[in-house]
Amino acid sequence: GAGVSQSPSNKVTEKGKDVELRCDPISGHTALYWYRQSLGQGLEFLIYFQGNSAPDKSGLPSDRFSAERTGGSVSTLTIQRTQQEDSAVYLCASSLLGESGEKLFFGSGTQLSVL
Amino acid sequence: GQNIDQPTEMTATEGAIVQINCTYQTSGFNGLFWYQQHAGEAPTFLSYNVLDGLEEKGRFSSFLSRSKGYSYLLLKELQMKDSASYLCAVRVPSGGGSYIPTFGRGTSLIVHP
Repeated sequence: GAGVSQSPSNKVTEKGKDVELRCDPISGHTALYWYRQSLGQGLEFLIYFQGNSAPDKSGLPSDRFSAERTGGSVSTLTIQRTQQEDSAVYLCASSLLGESGEKLFFGSGTQLSVL
Repeated sequence: GQNIDQPTEMTATEGAIVQINCTYQTSGFNGLFWYQQHAGEAPTFLSYNVLDGLEEKGRFSSFLSRSKGYSYLLLKELQMKDSASYLCAVRVPSGGGSYIPTFGRGTSLIVHP
């Protein structure tokens, strides 16, 4: 597709379960970001991938959170032993080096609800 | 830490002009973005400023003063469809050494007839 694709669009899980969220960036975009957005809060940076470099994990809130990017394209964000405070919209974005300051193209997000 | 401030909410009348301000105190700066986000949708790019001055794009303009840590987004000839949240983001150094767009909490703009 032409845009950033995320799946699932909605995920309801029970406290303590693991979840995987998927992001397909725009083809050719070397940079990929994960953010989360809680109600009334700004976008919170989680992790950044750029080409073949080691990811910048400085935004991950705990060691329950991890992400990988396979083949420089698709990315998966994994949350282990989910907690209620993990409930949020998880947004993925990709960008192209050198274009308008590397503006971000966002996916529609995954709404995660932890019961 | 990084501090990016915007008003929480603004209201304006259809056809009018509105200015949304953003101030920042950050350790490092490598560009400022404005994004628009309609309720339940993904943010979409509006503008990018890295040098001081005004960037105009149709009904939208964005201004930056790096010495004052200040930007504004100017929306002219407001339309009902402009009702949305407007997000200010500054690219700043992360804990991992990369430059990462860091977002303010957003300004909810309500346009009424």
